[in-house]
Amino acid sequence: DTAVSQTPKYLVTQMGNDKSIKCEQNLGHDTMYWYKQDSKKFLKIMFSYNNKELIINETVPNRFSPKSPDKAHLNLHINSLELGDSAVYFCASSHRTGNTEAFFGQGTRLTVV
Amino acid sequence: TQLLEQSPQFLSIQEGENLTVYCNSSSVFSSLQWYRQEPGEGPVLLVTVVTGGEVKKLKRLTFQFGDARKDSSLHITAAQPGDTGLYLCAGLFTGGFKTIFGAGTRLFVKA
Repeated sequence: DTAVSQTPKYLVTQMGNDKSIKCEQNLGHDTMYWYKQDSKKFLKIMFSYNNKELIINETVPNRFSPKSPDKAHLNLHINSLELGDSAVYFCASSHRTGNTEAFFGQGTRLTVV
Repeated sequence: TQLLEQSPQFLSIQEGENLTVYCNSSSVFSSLQWYRQEPGEGPVLLVTVVTGGEVKKLKRLTFQFGDARKDSSLHITAAQPGDTGLYLCAGLFTGGFKTIFGAGTRLFVKA
């Protein structure tokens, strides 16, 4: 069983389109995250949710809107996609805040053309 | 701006050599983690260090947290081709909701 699963794994779309990436974790974790990894492999946190509530929004454009329907899901919707949005997006979860391990999904490679 | 500087960015060595990767910051962290990432996969946790000055060993890997909890190092002894990958350090701030990652060290160990 996959602990943190993201779909789709690959996404190619045109500028201006709206797309969503889904994330589900079956670990019973309270906290979920979205990270963006650029072409240089720099991993940067975008959002952090705890018990379905937004905790961190790291100066992400408001074209990015996370939605957490329940503790096990954190989806990412992106409006009006731009070329600079091309990256690998990782969903992650952790049991609780603090010094705990974050489990990452396999990533979604988004390419905007 | 909170930064975690990781060095070197690239490292290509022969099997059997030793190496050290460094992470440095001006910020104080509640803990620091080291992850390893394979191509096409998400990062996987190797270790978490919590106490200033703490040293943890994982087989041939030795992790150290600086006394002031601002820096950390990863030392690999007798590197093997299987150690090839991207190594990421991550600093966690008090409260735990925010983690910042270093830029990563891409290690290539030649047989």
